[in-house]
Amino acid sequence: DIQMTQSPSSLSASVGDRVTITCRASQGIGSWLAWYQQKPEKAPKSLIYAASSLQSGVPSRFSGSGSGTDFTLTISSLQPEDFATYYCQQYNSYPTFGGGTKVEIK
Amino acid sequence: EVQLVESGGVVVQPGGSLRLSCAASGFTFDDYGMHWVRQAPGKGLEWVSLISWDGGSTYYADSVKGRFTISRDNSKNSLFLQMNSLRPDDTALYYCAKAGYSSGWSNFDYWGQGTLVTVSS
Repeated sequence: DIQMTQSPSSLSASVGDRVTITCRASQGIGSWLAWYQQKPEKAPKSLIYAASSLQSGVPSRFSGSGSGTDFTLTISSLQPEDFATYYCQQYNSYPTFGGGTKVEIK
Repeated sequence: EVQLVESGGVVVQPGGSLRLSCAASGFTFDDYGMHWVRQAPGKGLEWVSLISWDGGSTYYADSVKGRFTISRDNSKNSLFLQMNSLRPDDTALYYCAKAGYSSGWSNFDYWGQGTLVTVSS
């Protein structure tokens, strides 16, 4: 199985901050990487697919980059509704998820 | 609008069986593979199973292989998960998720609200 390691596991940030979350794969996965946002008691929501493609309807302050083993999710200006847990997922083979990054209010 | 609505989650004893269902609407169901993904209470996400658009190919996580069976009925836009020999570590919220691509491995572009399976005596 391909292991996905996210960092940090949690972070505190203020509204308007630029936030970066990283995801590392245990082996190369090309650009077969997605990012999800999950709020408490809600289903995950797709944000990014193919490492850098924005899902329809997702605000442009979200962006993804990377290929191979190292990937990044960036929120350019954190908004109140962005406080949530974020997961990366690889789909180069049997899907696996990162452990999640909880973004909390500072 | 894509909608996925899961049902069937209950409390079941260890060793028991359960069948989950997912009703899909808002897209051409038989154009896409469909997945089950689960989340244990307070934990992260775990992929469970994939079925191809025509039901001809199925894939399972090692943790459920031999115990769970995924199936679909394209005439009724429905997805199923038959769960046998249930164990306490199968306790989780089970999500139905639509594949983002029409074939192969993919992201999950739409998710249902989940149905809770609790395995406990």
